[in-house]
Amino acid sequence: DAKTTQPTSMDCAEGRAANLPCNHSTISGNEYVYWYRQIHSQGPQYIIHGLKNNETNEMASLIITEDRKSSTLILPHATLRDTAVYYCIVRVEGGFKTIFGAGTRLFVKA
Amino acid sequence: NAGVTQTPKFQVLKTGQSMTLQCAQDMNHEYMSWYRQDPGMGLRLIHYSVGAGITDQGEVPNGYNVSRSTTEDFPLRLLSAAPSQTSVYFCASQGMGNQPQHFGDGTRLSIL
Repeated sequence: DAKTTQPTSMDCAEGRAANLPCNHSTISGNEYVYWYRQIHSQGPQYIIHGLKNNETNEMASLIITEDRKSSTLILPHATLRDTAVYYCIVRVEGGFKTIFGAGTRLFVKA
Repeated sequence: NAGVTQTPKFQVLKTGQSMTLQCAQDMNHEYMSWYRQDPGMGLRLIHYSVGAGITDQGEVPNGYNVSRSTTEDFPLRLLSAAPSQTSVYFCASQGMGNQPQHFGDGTRLSIL
């Protein structure tokens, strides 16, 4: 599976959109981009995933560039409860060996 | 639907003791994994399984054993606990295709 690169930390004002970038320049055509988050010491929580089209669900939006070398997770109206570590992971369809990186620590400030 | 259930939630062991961390899922997922997370660090893969009777090593397998006799259960065994194994342990399961992983709430393990 391709490796991902994320900023170590980011700040966001409460009520504003949080845009979390992820670089996956070596991604292959059959690899999906997944986003998880981990609030404090809880188990990681799945947020969203996509292959090449932009995706949206009740939690977030995922924007994947046309060349698929990078993506952005968007939390449209960040709240204090969105403070967490966000992990961007690339995994081949049907793959099962998921390796987590260090993620981005998002601080949402009042 | 309970999802992924881990027991116990907390445990304190003495060096040299053995212990089994339990993980069960009720989603009929083929894939299951164990991770450890040290303070301030990301998750590291210990062992994983692609189905009953099949297991393989992850990034940090030393000191741990696993088995998968049923689809539902994937226990993690510490053979002789060491202080370096003090960590939070997470179990995860995953369905086929491009389905995401589902994680348990973790087991917080301290080894004195």
